[in-house]
Amino acid sequence: DARVTQTPRHKVTEMGQEVTMRCQPILGHNTVFWYRQTMMQGLELLAYFRNRAPLDDSGMPKDRFSAEMPDATLATLKIQPSEPRDSAVYFCASGLAYRGKDQPQHFGDGTRLSIL
Amino acid sequence: RKEVEQDPGPFNVPEGATVAFNCTYSNSASQSFFWYRQDCRKEPKLLMSVYSSGNEDGRFTAQLNRASQYISLLIRDSKLSDSATYLCVVIRSYNTDKLIFGTGTRLQVFP
Repeated sequence: DARVTQTPRHKVTEMGQEVTMRCQPILGHNTVFWYRQTMMQGLELLAYFRNRAPLDDSGMPKDRFSAEMPDATLATLKIQPSEPRDSAVYFCASGLAYRGKDQPQHFGDGTRLSIL
Repeated sequence: RKEVEQDPGPFNVPEGATVAFNCTYSNSASQSFFWYRQDCRKEPKLLMSVYSSGNEDGRFTAQLNRASQYISLLIRDSKLSDSATYLCVVIRSYNTDKLIFGTGTRLQVFP
């Protein structure tokens, strides 16, 4: 059963440190999404890519967050410098985009990030 | 006001009960609709798509009312394993893949 793979599963670090989260989308999927989930805000879209090109990162704080897809099998989300308010669960999801059809996304297990 | 709104619950129901959740969306141009399920400390998983004519999958029935801009999910004969958070999800238009999530409705089924 194909799955989206995220690493690390858990990360605890001190404020000011760089954090890098990685995602391997399902083979053959052409869209990749980064979400952040907190109790207060629920699931928020940070960025998404189609065919490795960034399409929308309007939900991402630009001063400290960056998202890239160096190749079709790897997406990264970086935070530098990290702050306590970045503590959340970060999910990566992938899907197959085609117009006018349902586009269910498959989520990874998430990275639980705690910034002290 | 959030684009997709749900009653956070929790809904506490006994096994065997029928329970219904509603969700409203504010963007009238929204095109695609889904229900996702999220278990505690797990990732969201697609439960079912929601079609204009309504659709059923076993004990689950989804309905869409475009005029009133709301989506519903009905669960019949609730099982303990149905306990989870149910997320209402909307895609705004055909030329985007962005999912807009509601904050979820928590369901707890008790014996």
